[in-house]
This record gives sequence, structure tokens and C-alpha cells, in this order.
Amino acid sequence: DAKTTQPNSMESNEEEPVHLPCNHSTISGTDYIHWYRQLPSQGPEYVIHGLTSNVNNRMASLAIAEDRKSSTLILHRATLRDAAVYYCILRAYNAGNMLTFGGGTRLMVKP
Amino acid sequence: EADIYQTPRYLVIGTGKKITLECSQTMGHDKMYWYQQDPGMELHLIHYSYGVNSTEKGDLSSESTVSRIRTEHFPLTLESARPSHTSQYLCAREESWRDRVDGYTFGSGTRLTVV
Repeated sequence: DAKTTQPNSMESNEEEPVHLPCNHSTISGTDYIHWYRQLPSQGPEYVIHGLTSNVNNRMASLAIAEDRKSSTLILHRATLRDAAVYYCILRAYNAGNMLTFGGGTRLMVKP
Repeated sequence: EADIYQTPRYLVIGTGKKITLECSQTMGHDKMYWYQQDPGMELHLIHYSYGVNSTEKGDLSSESTVSRIRTEHFPLTLESARPSHTSQYLCAREESWRDRVDGYTFGSGTRLTVV
């Protein structure tokens, strides 16, 4: 899988939007962009995924650059429960390869 | 909500004991995985299975073993626990979604401490 680069940590204030960046300059045409998050003392959970177009769901929005070399996970209104490690992962369409986690971004939310 | 279950949630055990960490899922998915995660560190794949009687080792070498006799169960066993095995063990299942992109659902994990 192509590699992703994320900041080690970010801080946000409660009830403000959060933009979590991810660089993936070596992304291939068949790579989907996945985001997972891991709350303290829990297993990772799926957040959102996309290929080319921006995506929205009840948890977050995913903004994908036109050249697909970067993407941004957007939490529209951060809550204390959003404090977690957020992982940006590339995975080829219908590939047999495994989900490989990097270091992710640790998001801290201040009240 | 996750339909993948791991037991026990926490386990403290003495060195040399044999332990089995349980992982079960109710949806009949073929692909299942075990990851190991030390506190504050990345997740590393240690075992995976693509179906009954199929097991493979992952990227990170592990002294544990797994079995897949039934689709629903994917237990992980340590024959002789050592303090170096102290870690969190996370089980996951994989499913195909509407656009055929596969997603993982993780259990809550087993936090193992070997004393």
C-alpha cells in the first residue's frame, strides 16, 4: 500500500470544527482513502472512506484534493468524545492486502 | 454496533501459563484478523484467516498461534505466557460494503498482562 503522512498530534476546542490532514503523494488510481479512529482503551472504528469525490456521513466529512495526493477529515463540531487517534489509510480497491495502520494523529479536544 | 466479541476484556496471568483469547463474530464473515498493540504504539497484524482451516502469519512475528475450525470463532493461544507478551490484542472481521470496498470491524480488545 502507498504510505500516508499525518501530523502526530492536533488540538481543538470543543464545539469547533477540526480539520485533520493526510498526505498521500504516491496514491494510485485504485487506492481508496479510509479513515479509522481509536478511542482510548478501544479497538479502531471505521469513520469514512472515499475515492475521488468528497464524502459526508453522520460522523464526519472527507475532502479529497483534486489530484488525490492529500485529503482532510473534517469533524464539524468537535466534542470531548471525539478525542482519539485518527488513522488515514490507503487501500487498493478489492485488494487482498491487509489494513495497515500507521501512527495516526492524536486529537485532543479541550473543553 | 460491533458484532464481534472478544473475551476476556482484561487478563492478568503468571509466566508460563497457557492462555487462549477468544474472538467470535455472528455474521459469518470469512476474513478475520488479530492485531497486537502496545500502549501508545501502532497496531501490528500478527495473524489472519480467510476462512475455515485457513490461517496465516501477519507482518509482526508472534509466538502466538491461531485456529479457525468454525467460521464464527478465531481464538488466539499462547502456550507459555511471558512478560514480553504483555500487550493489547485486537480481533477484527472484514466485510464488503456497497461499493465493494472492504471495511474492518474491531472488537474491544483483550488487555493481557503477564506477571
